[in-house]
Amino acid sequence: QLQLQESGPGLVKPSETLSLICSVSGGSISRSNYYWGWIRQLPGKGLEWIGSIDYTGSTYYKPSLKSRVTILVDTSRNQISLRLKSMTAADTAVYYCARHEIRTPMDVWGQGTTVTVS
Amino acid sequence: DIVMTQSPDSLAVSLGERATINCKSSQSVLDSSDKENYLAWYQQRPGQPPKLLVYWASTRESGVPDRFSGSGSGTDFTLTISSLQAEDVAVYYCQQYYSVPPYTFGQGTKLEIK
Repeated sequence: QLQLQESGPGLVKPSETLSLICSVSGGSISRSNYYWGWIRQLPGKGLEWIGSIDYTGSTYYKPSLKSRVTILVDTSRNQISLRLKSMTAADTAVYYCARHEIRTPMDVWGQGTTVTVS
Repeated sequence: DIVMTQSPDSLAVSLGERATINCKSSQSVLDSSDKENYLAWYQQRPGQPPKLLVYWASTRESGVPDRFSGSGSGTDFTLTISSLQAEDVAVYYCQQYYSVPPYTFGQGTKLEIK
């Protein structure tokens, strides 16, 4: 059974760079059909897709976040990572990783990790 | 970006009764080439990640009870729970995956027991 697990610092200072890892178990991240995405949920708010990557490293990002976001894949560790620079209080959120195919919904989600900017 | 707007923002329904949640997209999510509506519904229980319930507007994900059904086409969609159970208390989101990037979600509808 495929499982995704996010990890990273729970607290980040303003202006710093957030680094998160999504570890994938129960399946290979190198399956050619799949993308691995990052989605966040602001406190008491809805869901915001940040960006996605496939096993070759092909990425696409939300245009309004593109200048601050980097998503990378490490197939040897079966992980993807998210870097979000110049963090502000507005980036405080629960960050999820999830699996999807191109132009399909997210069918497997991690439990999420809470990030506070303060 | 395609804007997804849900109604109502919150809803209270008695156990065993029908619950209906609406979702409207700012442009059509119907693909003329494959005739599919690129619209999904998710359920998010408190403290949990979202769970995919319905995709292609009306196809239930494996394991989802048949009391959940999706309908609609083009820009107007509905998620119906035919007989509300206690475990259905959650926030429900619609999502379009037709015009990406970005994937966009509705603001959510909070469903409670009356």
